Amino acid sequence: AQSVTQPDIHITVSEGASLELRCNYSYGATPYLFWYVQSPGQGLQLLLKYFSGDTLVQGIKGFEAEFKRSQSSFNLRKPSVHWSDAAEYFCAVGASINTGTASKLTFGTGTRLQVTL
Amino acid sequence: DAGITQSPRYKITETGRQVTLMCHQTWSHSYMFWYRQDLGHGLRLIYYSAAADITDKGEVPDGYVVSRSKTENFPLTLESATRSQTSVYFCASSLGQAGGNQPQHFGDGTRLSIL
Repeated sequence: AQSVTQPDIHITVSEGASLELRCNYSYGATPYLFWYVQSPGQGLQLLLKYFSGDTLVQGIKGFEAEFKRSQSSFNLRKPSVHWSDAAEYFCAVGASINTGTASKLTFGTGTRLQVTL
Repeated sequence: DAGITQSPRYKITETGRQVTLMCHQTWSHSYMFWYRQDLGHGLRLIYYSAAADITDKGEVPDGYVVSRSKTENFPLTLESATRSQTSVYFCASSLGQAGGNQPQHFGDGTRLSIL
């Protein structure tokens, strides 16, 4: 069974500083990997996804993530954080359903990002 | 474009009562999912559905029942609510077409409190 570890429960960065959120996964095959963001009282919004190909993927809001198979990692990065990025971030790994194109997602426990001005 | 709508947004009920959470999507996505979100656990899959009349268990299905008579609706029922089912519940949907794995799109959640 797949699993996801987000080792940082809470991170605080200053506005304008760079950001890296860590994600490690466990999965027997090539994983489908996702990063979602959740603002208070809202659902989850997809930031980016990795299925195959280029290991550096670009997402919305200036985020990117790099897939490193040797380290079983999919860390999320942003070069310059804005105050509006304060939210909770979830990494997820997907296992195909019946070899189809949908996935059952397994989520990490999330990292709460606080941005100081 | 309404997307995916969950109702109610907030619900308080008592132990032993039956409660149904509604989920409606306007995208005609074939796959739909129910998750619960609890502190320290992230989101955990309760049930999912690949199409109308096709459902399957996820990681934490005990105490829940689902149905899917129409593609656009995927209600989740707690037949006899317990305090351990106090949580925030999220519905999600995704396409089921060939051409690559599809991400899931989430509703805004239902916050359920069981007294």
